Amino acid sequence: DIVMTQSPLSRPVIPGEPASISCRSSQSLQHSNGFHYLDWYRQKPGQSPQLLIYLGSNRASGVSDRFSGSGSGTEFTLKISRVEADDVGVYYCMQALQTPGLTFGGGTRVEIK
Amino acid sequence: QVQLQESGPGLVKPSETLSLTCSVSGGSISGFYWSWIRQPPGKGLEWIGYIYYTGSTNYNPSLKSRVTISLDTSKNQYSLNLRSVTAADTAVYYCARVPYGSGFPFDYWGQGTLVTVSS
Repeated sequence: DIVMTQSPLSRPVIPGEPASISCRSSQSLQHSNGFHYLDWYRQKPGQSPQLLIYLGSNRASGVSDRFSGSGSGTEFTLKISRVEADDVGVYYCMQALQTPGLTFGGGTRVEIK
Repeated sequence: QVQLQESGPGLVKPSETLSLTCSVSGGSISGFYWSWIRQPPGKGLEWIGYIYYTGSTNYNPSLKSRVTISLDTSKNQYSLNLRSVTAADTAVYYCARVPYGSGFPFDYWGQGTLVTVSS
């Protein structure tokens, strides 16, 4: 199985300030087609997860351009350019290179400082 | 707008079978992968498996011996059966859609349903 490790576990943020979350995989997530099979989700309190970023850097439909994904190989980052109060929740990365065996990171809790 | 809705018993006895159905509205089953994901209370996400609209399936190796996912295209539904459940299977169960051809992102999710395994 590919193990996904997120850091930090908790990220206190100040509205208006930028924030970033890291995700590391135990092996490269680059597919033979050149894309990185890494997605980002946000789960607001009491809600289902929502897709933010797919294939490492592609914003999902309707997602604010304040969110961006980057990285390659085994190291990936989700950046929020200007945090808003509504961004609180738990953020998960997920590798989709190995199917079967899709695996999520343990999550990073974003909270307002 | 595509909507997914899970349904099924909220309480299952140990050693019995957990059965859930996901009803899809606002779109067709055809052309997509359909998945189940679960989340134990207060914990992270675990992928259970998926079924392609053609009927082919793929399961999490850690659950493969106990899981079956099936499809009913006439009803625009798909189902999850998890056999021989224990307390460790207590979780919120989500159904989710995956579009073909852009990696494997879950672009639409159901609201989730809590299933408790207890006698």
